[in-house]
Amino acid sequence: DAGVTQSPTHLIKTRGQHVTLRCSPISGHKSVSWYQQVLGQGPQFIFQYYEKEERGRGNFPDRFSARQFPNYSSELNVNALLLGDSALYLCASSFQRLAGQETQYFGPGTRLLVL
Amino acid sequence: AQRVTQPEKLLSVFKGAPVELKCNYSYSGSPELFWYVQYSRQRLQLLLRHISRESIKGFTADLNKGETSFHLKKPFAQEEDSAMYYCALSDDYKLSFGAGTTVTVRA
Repeated sequence: DAGVTQSPTHLIKTRGQHVTLRCSPISGHKSVSWYQQVLGQGPQFIFQYYEKEERGRGNFPDRFSARQFPNYSSELNVNALLLGDSALYLCASSFQRLAGQETQYFGPGTRLLVL
Repeated sequence: AQRVTQPEKLLSVFKGAPVELKCNYSYSGSPELFWYVQYSRQRLQLLLRHISRESIKGFTADLNKGETSFHLKKPFAQEEDSAMYYCALSDDYKLSFGAGTTVTVRA
């Protein structure tokens, strides 16, 4: 198993554009979480999806949305991009929903630069 | 609201010296705490969790509820320990991370 995979690895967008980031969890994992990591800070929680339903949402504006597909892969969408959205976006998967009882396995991230 | 604080952004130690990374937290319930590590050019990975009470790669961490701390320690640092370390607290479905400490172990 290649572990959690994310695509693309990096991309450049301009302000106001829309972006879609993709994540494939480890085989058998049903939970996918998204985190934003701004340079010099720790990852900040954006969403958790479990069994294709949103189970948790962090303090992010409605421009951020996500979904999980029947094969448990996930997409993170960000509309009306702002300069401040420039960050590394991490996806993490686990078998169950509960972050405290399950090890979360992280992907390599997608580095987004907004100009 | 839960919060994780890592007061040291950078930590430099000599090989063979002890290393301690500080982590303090604020949380109203019973916390579940973790240390994650990111080696150069690798992805973020779990180092240890307090509930396991185990030693991984020579590292240990003790939860001190009175001081609301979960410091990471290793008695003899190795060059391969050079990495970015994040303390994290779990709240049911999400992890809350500290800002991280970059550790450099010098020969």
